[in-house]
Amino acid sequence: DAGVIQSPRHEVTEMGQEVTLRCKPISGHNSLFWYRQTMMRGLELLIYFNNNVPIDDSGMPEDRFSAKMPNASFSTLKIQPSEPRDSAVYFCASSRGQQETQYFGPGTRLLVL
Amino acid sequence: LAKTTQPISMDSYEGQEVNITCSHNNIATNDYITWYQQFPSQGPRFIIQGYKTKVTNEVASLFIPADRKSSTLSLPRVSLSDTAVYYCLVGDMSSGGSNYKLTFGKGTLLTVNP
Repeated sequence: DAGVIQSPRHEVTEMGQEVTLRCKPISGHNSLFWYRQTMMRGLELLIYFNNNVPIDDSGMPEDRFSAKMPNASFSTLKIQPSEPRDSAVYFCASSRGQQETQYFGPGTRLLVL
Repeated sequence: LAKTTQPISMDSYEGQEVNITCSHNNIATNDYITWYQQFPSQGPRFIIQGYKTKVTNEVASLFIPADRKSSTLSLPRVSLSDTAVYYCLVGDMSSGGSNYKLTFGKGTLLTVNP
């Protein structure tokens, strides 16, 4: 299996622009997670999907962030409008079930100027 | 979620055994202990998980004393490629538990020297 696939790997944008991050989970995994990692705050869970349904979005910072999972093999995390403080590495992870081991993708490094 | 405390950094040399200890004084009955490894520019990678006593896999061993208030990750004969940040996490694995909310602290930066 190719593992969790994320795109793009790097993104540089200007403040106010819309940013869309993409994730393809491991085939057969029912749970998908979006995390954000910064030096100051470490790794934080943003949102969790189970069977394509958002279960816990308590970590989403504000209304500028939204996430969707239209099918079992694809998810997006959108930031609109983006701000410099959104600069971070965003990881997607998937697991067979809610309590199973999470497998992380390579991350998307986002820089908002 | 139980809070964990682990050393910020450790240094070792190739071929040595490395033991990283994590404290989790408030661990609950349903909590499991999980260790992840993260290399620069990569996502965290699962290493090992346990509930009590000792767990061993092809990568590491995990020692958990009877009171479960701490755990020790043991890496046998480390190499330069084991240089990474190691995270200790504690979470509820029971059905409906919140273990999926992995809480990564600062972790321990292990540097393996030649």
